[in-house]
Amino acid sequence: DAGVTQSPTHLIKTRGQQVTLRCSPISGHKSVSWYQQVLGQGPQFIFQYYEKEERGRGNFPDRFSARQFPNYSSELNVNALLLGDSALYLCASSLAYEQYFGPGTRLTVT
Amino acid sequence: RKEVEQDPGPFNVPEGATVAFNCTYSNSASQSFFWYRQDCRKEPKLLMSVYSSGNEDGRFTAQLNRASQYISLLIRDSKLSDSATYLCVVNPGQFYFGSGTKLNVKP
Repeated sequence: DAGVTQSPTHLIKTRGQQVTLRCSPISGHKSVSWYQQVLGQGPQFIFQYYEKEERGRGNFPDRFSARQFPNYSSELNVNALLLGDSALYLCASSLAYEQYFGPGTRLTVT
Repeated sequence: RKEVEQDPGPFNVPEGATVAFNCTYSNSASQSFFWYRQDCRKEPKLLMSVYSSGNEDGRFTAQLNRASQYISLLIRDSKLSDSATYLCVVNPGQFYFGSGTKLNVKP
């Protein structure tokens, strides 16, 4: 069975631009969560979606938004990029309590 | 105060050694607990869930102490392939990750 997939794998953007990251969960998983991981830190929770509804939001500014589609895939959007948004963005899918991560999108903002 | 705290290490141990990591959490309402391992520049991979009664998976044993609000991971007979960063995760409604403990297993 395919695991969680994310695209793109790498991305370079300029300050002020907008970016969209994509995630497809494991087949049968209805919940998707997004995390930001900066070097030397653990992943930090951004959003959780379940059945297309937002179930949780971490301490991130309104520049961050997300949505989940009827097929349970998800997009994370970040507007007005800042240098500090440079990080590994991870998507995780879950059926119950355990979360399984995709390979991530490495975003560099210059 | 951080939700989850871990000793960053590194723990440098020889092959075959036994090593233990602890992780403390601040929210007593936390209901589920996990250990993940993360290799350099890769995604976290679920190592094991941590149950109230403690649980074992091969060379790995996880324990939960709710009274003192910590979880532990014991690795017996360390292998070179165990070298990684071990992330403690606590869920009081959303997942909180620790910053990780780095383990280096040396020949």
